[in-house]
Amino acid sequence: EAGVAQSPRYKIIEKRQSVAFWCNPISGHATLYWYQQILGQGPKLLIQFQNNGVVDDSQLPKDRFSAERLKGVDSTLKIQPAKLEDSAVYLCASSAGLVNEQFFGPGTRLTVL
Amino acid sequence: GENVEQHPSTLSVQEGDSAVIKCTYSDSASNYFPWYKQELGKGPQLIIDIRSNVGEKKDQRIAVTLNKTAKHFSLHITETQPEDSAVYFCAATPTYNNNDMRFGAGTRLTVKP
Repeated sequence: EAGVAQSPRYKIIEKRQSVAFWCNPISGHATLYWYQQILGQGPKLLIQFQNNGVVDDSQLPKDRFSAERLKGVDSTLKIQPAKLEDSAVYLCASSAGLVNEQFFGPGTRLTVL
Repeated sequence: GENVEQHPSTLSVQEGDSAVIKCTYSDSASNYFPWYKQELGKGPQLIIDIRSNVGEKKDQRIAVTLNKTAKHFSLHITETQPEDSAVYFCAATPTYNNNDMRFGAGTRLTVKP
């Protein structure tokens, strides 16, 4: 069974630029998560989808971050404009349901200069 | 909300020795405590979990203990091997919903051959 796929794996941008990350969850998984993992810290949930609806986006900085999962499968996370403090690894995870085990992708390492 | 503290931040052991990582949590309502292993360049992977109605759980060389009165839980790895080298995260949630889960800051374990 294929795992959670993410791209790109690495991205370097200048501050105030825009960037987008893509995630393809495990086939059949209804729940999808985006996490931000700053160096030396644990993952912090940004947004959680159930199919194509948002379950929780309370920790998403909505002035610059947006995410969508239009067809209930793939998802994109966008940052516009980026700040230096956005440098982190962005992890996507999926689970069969709201309470099931989460499976994480390899992450996208973002560096904002 | 829930706050999880984890220590030590780094741990170095000799191959064959045991390793112990400890976490404390703040929300007495927390009832699910997973542990994740994150290898370099990969996303976190669930290795063991424990629920509040159980004091200890074991799976081969790894075990987790929970003290609800003191609000702390620990990961024990016996007979450590070089492939156990990774960053380990504890987490806690007051519900079984993944969006309420909070992660510790992580422990970097190095097992020296």
